[in-house]
Amino acid sequence: AQTVTQSQPEMSVQEAETVTLSCTYDTSENNYYLFWYKQPPSRQMILVIRQEAYKQQNATENRFSVNFQKAAKSFSLKISDSQLGDTAMYFCAFMKLTPYGYNFNKFYFGSGTKLNVKP
Amino acid sequence: KAGVTQTPRYLIKTRGQQVTLSCSPISGHRSVSWYQQTPGQGLQFLFEYFSETQRNKGNFPGRFSGRQFSNSRSEMNVSTLELGDSALYLCASSWETGTHGYTFGSGTRLTVV
Repeated sequence: AQTVTQSQPEMSVQEAETVTLSCTYDTSENNYYLFWYKQPPSRQMILVIRQEAYKQQNATENRFSVNFQKAAKSFSLKISDSQLGDTAMYFCAFMKLTPYGYNFNKFYFGSGTKLNVKP
Repeated sequence: KAGVTQTPRYLIKTRGQQVTLSCSPISGHRSVSWYQQTPGQGLQFLFEYFSETQRNKGNFPGRFSGRQFSNSRSEMNVSTLELGDSALYLCASSWETGTHGYTFGSGTRLTVV
């Protein structure tokens, strides 16, 4: 079974500063994807960034970047130049790859980190 | 392009009743997944449909069921509602595989009284 752990239930950061959200996971799979999703009060889960496990290079999307440590099974999210609109719940998620025809097309989510960006 | 649409947005039901929730995926997306989100259990996978077939199922009782239509729209049904079924139900759609990430709807907030 796969488990995803987010050890920080809540974090705060000042606007324009940098914050890092932690995520660790446990799996025996070698091929998988990792994701960070953001859920603002509107409830919709919004994809922030994704990482393929077979890629060494850390994914980046504008102000968002990850530090993917496959051996340590760690996948942290760094938000640079934090903005008020970044205030939300952030979920780390794991999806294992499947051979075509068999599907495990489902996310295993962590419990989430509530991020408050203060003006 | 339109996003994932879930209806209704809010729903209040009485214990013992049944409920049907609807999800319209992004045009062209053939995979639709359902998740239950509660404060205690977090986000839990219910099931996934692709081309009208259930491809994967989570660990929920048989009271939870779903289906997908030929236009990829999906419905989930919960029969004999219990208080513990109160939750936010999220639907997500994707291309054939979800490895590029799913696009989620805003969910249906179900309250069972």
